[in-house]
Amino acid sequence: KAGVTQTPRYLIKTRGQQVTLSCSPISGHRSVSWYQQTPGQGLQFLFEYFSETQRNKGNFPGRFSGRQFSNSRSEMNVSTLELGDSALYLCASSLGGPTNSPLHFGNGTRLTVT
Amino acid sequence: KNEVEQSPQNLTAQEGEFITINCSYSVGISALHWLQQHPGGGIVSLFMLSSGKKKHGRLIATINIQEKHSSLHITASHPRDSAVYICAPTFGNEKLTFGTGTRLTIIP
Repeated sequence: KAGVTQTPRYLIKTRGQQVTLSCSPISGHRSVSWYQQTPGQGLQFLFEYFSETQRNKGNFPGRFSGRQFSNSRSEMNVSTLELGDSALYLCASSLGGPTNSPLHFGNGTRLTVT
Repeated sequence: KNEVEQSPQNLTAQEGEFITINCSYSVGISALHWLQQHPGGGIVSLFMLSSGKKKHGRLIATINIQEKHSSLHITASHPRDSAVYICAPTFGNEKLTFGTGTRLTIIP
């Protein structure tokens, strides 16, 4: 069974641009959650989707958004990039969500904003 | 505010030693995940617990709901266990809150 796939692996963008990251979950998993990891703040929850519905959102500005498609693939978008958005972005898929199912993480997308 | 505290922050041990990493949280939880992160970033989920104890190979995770405390134990530690270990409880809303992590180094 294929694991969670995140694309791209690395991305370099300029301040003010926007970026879209993609996450393909394990087949059959309906929950996809997104996380930001920085050296200063550690791991932080961004949002969680289940069957195309956002069930919860972390404390991030509205520049961070996401969506989930009918095949459970998910994308997250960051608009008007700031230097502080440089981070490792991770997604995780699970059968029912973090509250009741083990998580399977992708390898992450490392975003650098210059 | 849902708070998570992990200890110790850093731990260095000799190969073969028994390792314990602790996680405390401030309010009731639905489940707690233990995660392992190796240099380079990849995260592996080790356990998901809502009560009791789970064992997988040399790893054991326990949780005490009344005490709001969980522990991760590694028996017969090995250099390949060197990694950052992170506890992550959920508070009933599909939202993970993360501990600051424990950096474990096992010396051969």
